[in-house]
Amino acid sequence: GEDVEQSLFLSVREGDSSVINCTYTDSSSTYLYWYKQEPGAGLQLLTYIFSNMDMKQDQRLTVLLNKKDKHLSLRIADTQTGDSAIYFCAEARGGYNKLIFGAGTRLAVHP
Amino acid sequence: DTAVSQTPKYLVTQMGNDKSIKCEQNLGHDTMYWYKQDSKKFLKIMFSYNNKELIINETVPNRFSPKSPDKAHLNLHINSLELGDSAVYFCASSQKTGGVGLFFGSGTQLSVL
Repeated sequence: GEDVEQSLFLSVREGDSSVINCTYTDSSSTYLYWYKQEPGAGLQLLTYIFSNMDMKQDQRLTVLLNKKDKHLSLRIADTQTGDSAIYFCAEARGGYNKLIFGAGTRLAVHP
Repeated sequence: DTAVSQTPKYLVTQMGNDKSIKCEQNLGHDTMYWYKQDSKKFLKIMFSYNNKELIINETVPNRFSPKSPDKAHLNLHINSLELGDSAVYFCASSQKTGGVGLFFGSGTQLSVL
């Protein structure tokens, strides 16, 4: 994703919070998404945020959006071993939900 | 009931062969997509169809030809397969507009030998 950037790796201890960061470039993107991919599986939509919001919370997940800096973050509270996966942020462009993905952040959760 | 299903899950073939991957969605969505994920997990859109009409056609070799017989199906045919075509191909679907995003199939692992 040359237009959407993420750090590649994150390692956290079980029970701690994880914060995955993403920057995007298209200020006209209306929706921004977080997807989760487990080994050998497809992408699972975790959550999304509309561009006129700055925060969205859904159980253990909190999404923060700083539109001025084009920065998106995903916080996972009380991270569990089952949260180990690759997390992709994506921005939607155009009217046909054309999603541009970041390269993905590999989250490793250790005891 | 699988929402977006693709077949086959694995495809191993020789260089130069022609192969097809099929995709079906039962979500009632209008728009379907093909994405390619390379060995570094980078995802890139290839094509999108809205109600059988091609709406997104990224820079993809013309050996790749999508076909949508109806809005619930989007197939991908690949001619003269090359080593560099080895990847995981994901089908997805969505409403034409809206904030729900894309729903993905479980992927087809294509290995070209």
